[in-house]
Amino acid sequence: NAGVTQTPKFRILKIGQSMTLQCTQDMNHNYMYWYRQDPGMGLKLIYYSVGAGITDKGEVPNGYNVSRSTTEDFPLRLELAAPSQTSVYFCASSYSRAGDNEQFFGPGTRLTVL
Amino acid sequence: LAKTTQPISMDSYEGQEVNITCSHNNIATNDYITWYQQFPSQGPRFIIQGYKTKVTNEVASLFIPADRKSSTLSLPRVSLSDTAVYYCLVMIYNQGGKLIFGQGTELSVKP
Repeated sequence: NAGVTQTPKFRILKIGQSMTLQCTQDMNHNYMYWYRQDPGMGLKLIYYSVGAGITDKGEVPNGYNVSRSTTEDFPLRLELAAPSQTSVYFCASSYSRAGDNEQFFGPGTRLTVL
Repeated sequence: LAKTTQPISMDSYEGQEVNITCSHNNIATNDYITWYQQFPSQGPRFIIQGYKTKVTNEVASLFIPADRKSSTLSLPRVSLSDTAVYYCLVMIYNQGGKLIFGQGTELSVKP
């Protein structure tokens, strides 16, 4: 099993550009999550999904959008990139809700907005 | 607002036992406390999870007092490879199931 995979590993965007961060898991987990991690800080939840077709906002959703059309994929969309979105983005998945279960994290995407 | 609090950093030497405490208020009575380890340029990795009293696995122990307002991760006989950032995670159920990661404790193990 590959676990949780994320693409790209690195990306530099100009202000106002858009992009999609890809996340795929092969563990048949229902729950998937997107976090951002700013330098020296903990992780903050952006969006999460409890199954295909169901998504909900986390702590810091502004400036992002998600969709969940399949169990495996959970892409994160940035529509109008801003310098404040410079961060490392982690995707994770779990069998059931994260408070009760182990989350499996991807390797992260390092995004810089200039 | 509920939040978690951890020491920002800790130093230790190889072979010592390290205890990292996370304070968390308003935790739901039926939610678990989970600890993760993160190395530079990697995603966090699960270490241990517990609900009450004491949990032990092959790498760590987790102590949770009866009031569940804190938890302590115990790493026995640390080695250089345990140098990492350690996060506690709780779910604050009375805020709609909000997931709260601590700020993380940077553990530095010296020879």
